[in-house]
Amino acid sequence: AQSVAQPEDQVNVAEGNPLTVKCTYSVSGNPYLFWYVQYPNRGLQFLLKYITGDNLVKGSYGFEAEFNKSQTSFHLKKPSALVSDSALYFCAVRDGNDYKLSFGAGTTVTVRA
Amino acid sequence: GAVVSQHPSRVICKSGTSVKIECRSLDFQATTMFWYRQFPKKSLMLMATSNEGSKATYEQGVEKDKFLINHASLTLSTLTVTSAHPEDSSFYICSALDRGLAKNIQYFGAGTRLSVL
Repeated sequence: AQSVAQPEDQVNVAEGNPLTVKCTYSVSGNPYLFWYVQYPNRGLQFLLKYITGDNLVKGSYGFEAEFNKSQTSFHLKKPSALVSDSALYFCAVRDGNDYKLSFGAGTTVTVRA
Repeated sequence: GAVVSQHPSRVICKSGTSVKIECRSLDFQATTMFWYRQFPKKSLMLMATSNEGSKATYEQGVEKDKFLINHASLTLSTLTVTSAHPEDSSFYICSALDRGLAKNIQYFGAGTRLSVL
């Protein structure tokens, strides 16, 4: 079985400040981890993924995520948030044997000007 | 990233009618597509996995006779909500699995807002 936890329903930051969205996962095999962003009434846009290799993964729009195996975490980060980053963020995981993704509950990010 | 087109973006229908939603991968071939349902301010619930040339695999609790899935080509999967009722009103999202270069990334359509009156 695989699952994802996003412990924060909402994250509020001021523009220009660092942004972190937390994610922890549980999977039986090697984790394949993903972050997606959703704007209102839209589908999900792919931001980045971790399969193997460097623990720090860089993705679209200046986002990055750090894989921490011992803490089973994959937190999303952006050094300097923009108002346009305000959206709903989903962390997702799958193991190597199945292409089905399990999504977290989502975290709403609000960046204030 | 790869582009997935979903149509229509919004549909309003009367109770008892059927609605078809199309999902197309525009710049890659997708032998596997997925259909999700999303409730307001909630996460995505996987309904079924659509496999080109074979029957779809439905998740537990999803009525396969109500949500008909056809994946007749490498770029098109359709979801038909048969005899729709108000409780079927929801946001339906498809994704297509891009296996090219071993990326194995799901790319998502923009979603379809279904309202059943």
